[in-house]
Amino acid sequence: EILMTQSPGILSLSPGEAATLSCRASQSVTKLAWYQQKPGQAPRLLIYGTSTRATGIPARFSGSGSGTEFTLTVTSLQSEDFAIYYCQQYNNWPRGTFGQGTKVELK
Amino acid sequence: QVQLVQSGSELREPGASVKVSCKTSGYTFRTYAINWVRQAPGQGLEWMGWINTNTGNPTYAQGFTGRFVFSVDTSISTAYLQINSLKADDTGVYYCAKTTPVGALDPWGQGTLVTVSS
Repeated sequence: EILMTQSPGILSLSPGEAATLSCRASQSVTKLAWYQQKPGQAPRLLIYGTSTRATGIPARFSGSGSGTEFTLTVTSLQSEDFAIYYCQQYNNWPRGTFGQGTKVELK
Repeated sequence: QVQLVQSGSELREPGASVKVSCKTSGYTFRTYAINWVRQAPGQGLEWMGWINTNTGNPTYAQGFTGRFVFSVDTSISTAYLQINSLKADDTGVYYCAKTTPVGALDPWGQGTLVTVSS
């Protein structure tokens, strides 16, 4: 079974700063997505296929990586970007494993 | 546009059953699978499995076999999650989400809060 581990658990940043979130898989994966969840809301797809932005997602969000190491970068954080971010692998069984999440909070 | 609208909050006693619906619109229902995801209070996302909306064949993740049942009614483009023999630790928000052509989950339903308490 593939395990997804995200780090750090909490990232305290100020608006305008860059955020770098990490996601590590216990074995190589080829399909990785990132989701954003705000309090009281459903998750929203940000990135799929490791690096492709979903429809309507601003260019300040970018994804990279391969194999077992993946990164979500948010350049110049906006107020609406403070949220919890989850990575998910979706090609190996179990097909939908999520990481435990990284909270990006206001410093 | 594509929308998934879930049924409202539910309160059940331990041992009872609950059925959550996920009504879809804006696309051909049978084309894409529906996934179910649980979020316990204050916790992260837990993928429960998915259902092939064309064949009705469900696939359950580890930990969601036995008491959990996925089903569909293609005539009304709706997916269902039934949980039997409810336990207190089934409490949480349950989301349905459509599988995209590339396999990620988008969009998601608004979530259904299921509370199990006596």
